[in-house]
This record gives sequence, structure tokens and C-alpha cells, in this order.
Amino acid sequence: QVRLVASGGGLVKPGGSLRLSCAASGFTFSDYYMAWIRQAPGKGLEWVSYITTTGITIYYADSVKGRFTISRDNAKNSLYLQMNSLRAEDTAVYYCARDGGATISFDYWSQGTLVTVSS
Amino acid sequence: QSVLTQPPSASGTPGQRVTVSCSGSSSNIGSNTVSWYQQLPGAAPKLLIYNNNQRPSGVSDRFSGSKSGTSASLAITGLQSEDEADYYCAAWDDSLTVLFGGGTKLTVL
Repeated sequence: QVRLVASGGGLVKPGGSLRLSCAASGFTFSDYYMAWIRQAPGKGLEWVSYITTTGITIYYADSVKGRFTISRDNAKNSLYLQMNSLRAEDTAVYYCARDGGATISFDYWSQGTLVTVSS
Repeated sequence: QSVLTQPPSASGTPGQRVTVSCSGSSSNIGSNTVSWYQQLPGAAPKLLIYNNNQRPSGVSDRFSGSKSGTSASLAITGLQSEDEADYYCAAWDDSLTVLFGGGTKLTVL
């Protein structure tokens, strides 16, 4: 069965860095676009970044552009999010999600990993 | 970046039909498909509708989606207590971003 397991969250000081990972199993990872989506405490969903199958095409939300880097390793069935220059407003639960093939249809989601940016 | 506009709350009694709206613009809903997600308390979101009106395998046929122009709607028929959740719409925007609606909290009275 399809499984996405996100990890790497934690407490980090403003200006610090963190790297999130998402381990995929149960499907051919290299066939699917993937995304990171976050949810601040008590708030709605916010798309963060999106990567195509080969990683050649990548998109970012304006709020993270220049600070976050999405990447994938198809050989390891893994998705990553390198987060630099973290700010308090980046505090959120981060989900990785698979795009099922239609235009923006996130059909499988990981459990969330909590990132807290605080001094 | 623009957002998709949803009512913050909706409610209904068991057995009722409720709808949740999602308003966008020509650069998102007007030119791309809409998906809908259900998020139960403490859980990850779940895909309910994709391509405006398609249901993934396993999603109850009590859930349906529609789109007209720059707006979309999610309808839930035969409302049940377990439908109490937050609902989000999403769409690609031609500015090369993914947009989510602000979410609608559905209460079953």
C-alpha cells in the first residue's frame, strides 16, 4: 500500500536550518510529482513547494522562495525539503503529498512533522 | 499570492444536504481543475474530489463536486456526524503556484 513517512521536524532558532525527509513506499516513486504542504497551528493548508518526476521543474510559494529547497532522490524513494533562514512564521506541521496525476490532486499524504521556530 | 475564498463555516443537521463554495479567478479555477480535501481533527488531509467532480476509489458517493466559471462547490448529501471536519479546495494557478482555499469548518448540529 502507498505510504509516505515524513521526518526531520523539531525545534530550531530563528535563522536556523532544518532538513525534512519523506520516505515513500508502495508505489513507483519516480512516476509521480510530489509536494510539501504545511499547516500553521490552528490555520489552514498552505502549499510550500512542488517537484516534477525528474526534479527538473520545481515551484515554490513566494513565502519560502530563496530560503527553501525541494529535492528528490528517486533511487532512494525519498523527497526532501531543505529549510534555511527559518522564521517564526515557518512554524507549522509539514506534510509531504503525492500528486495523483490529475492537475493538483494530492491523493496520498504523510503524517505531519512539526517544525517549531522559536528562540 | 491570491487565495481561493471559502466560507469559514457551514453547518447542517443529520441527513441534510450542505454545500461548500470556493471562489477563485480566471487564472486558477477559471482555467484549471479543482480538488477538494477533508481534514478530520488531528489527521492529515484526505482527497475527496479531483478534476472538479471525480471521486477517488473509496470515497463515498455522498460527496460530489462541481465547477462553473471561476467558482467550485462541494456538496455533501445525507449529512452524518462523521462528516464534521474542515474542508479545503485547491487549484493550480497560472502564476505557477498551488492555491488552497482558507478552509471551511463543517459542523453537524
